[in-house]
Amino acid sequence: EAGVAQSPRYKIIEKRQSVAFWCNPISGHATLYWYQQILGQGPKLLIQFQNNGVVDDSQLPKDRFSAERLKGVDSTLKIQPAKLEDSAVYLCASSLDRLGQPQHFGDGTRLSIL
Amino acid sequence: QKEVEQNSGPLSVPEGAIASLNCTYSDRVSQSFFWYRQYSGKSPELIMSIYSNGDKEDGRFTAQLNKASQYVSLLIRDSQPSDSATYLCAVNKGDKIIFGKGTRLHILP
Repeated sequence: EAGVAQSPRYKIIEKRQSVAFWCNPISGHATLYWYQQILGQGPKLLIQFQNNGVVDDSQLPKDRFSAERLKGVDSTLKIQPAKLEDSAVYLCASSLDRLGQPQHFGDGTRLSIL
Repeated sequence: QKEVEQNSGPLSVPEGAIASLNCTYSDRVSQSFFWYRQYSGKSPELIMSIYSNGDKEDGRFTAQLNKASQYVSLLIRDSQPSDSATYLCAVNKGDKIIFGKGTRLHILP
């Protein structure tokens, strides 16, 4: 079974620039999550999709972050404009459904803001 | 009270000993509990899930759940240097999964 695919693995941009991350979940997984993980902390949920609908985006800074999951499969997360405090690893995860199923993580995208 | 609390460590354990990692949670109606291992620079990897009170064993790992005390733990028997990592506790809150900040475990050769 192929795992969760993410790209790019690394990204370096200057503050106020924009950046986008891509995620392809495990085939058949209805639920997709985007997390932000700052060094030394646990993953923080940014947004959760069930198929192509948003279940929870309460911690997504909507003035600069946006995410979509067209056709209920792939997803993109965008930051525009980036701030220094956005430097983190962005993790995508998927699960069979949202009812307490374990999540499987991709390798993440390490974002550095200069 | 934080939703999911873990001691950040580091927890140092001699090779071959039992490592005990603890986690408390605030939502009394939580039903799903997970332990993830995260090596430095890598993404979290699921190692155990537990849904019922009691113990669940998988190889050298045992998860223990006590819903009355809102407490879940992970025991690692015969600790190996390769077990050195950060261990994340995750608990459901409704349809969301909340992660703790993780406990850094260091196995001393």
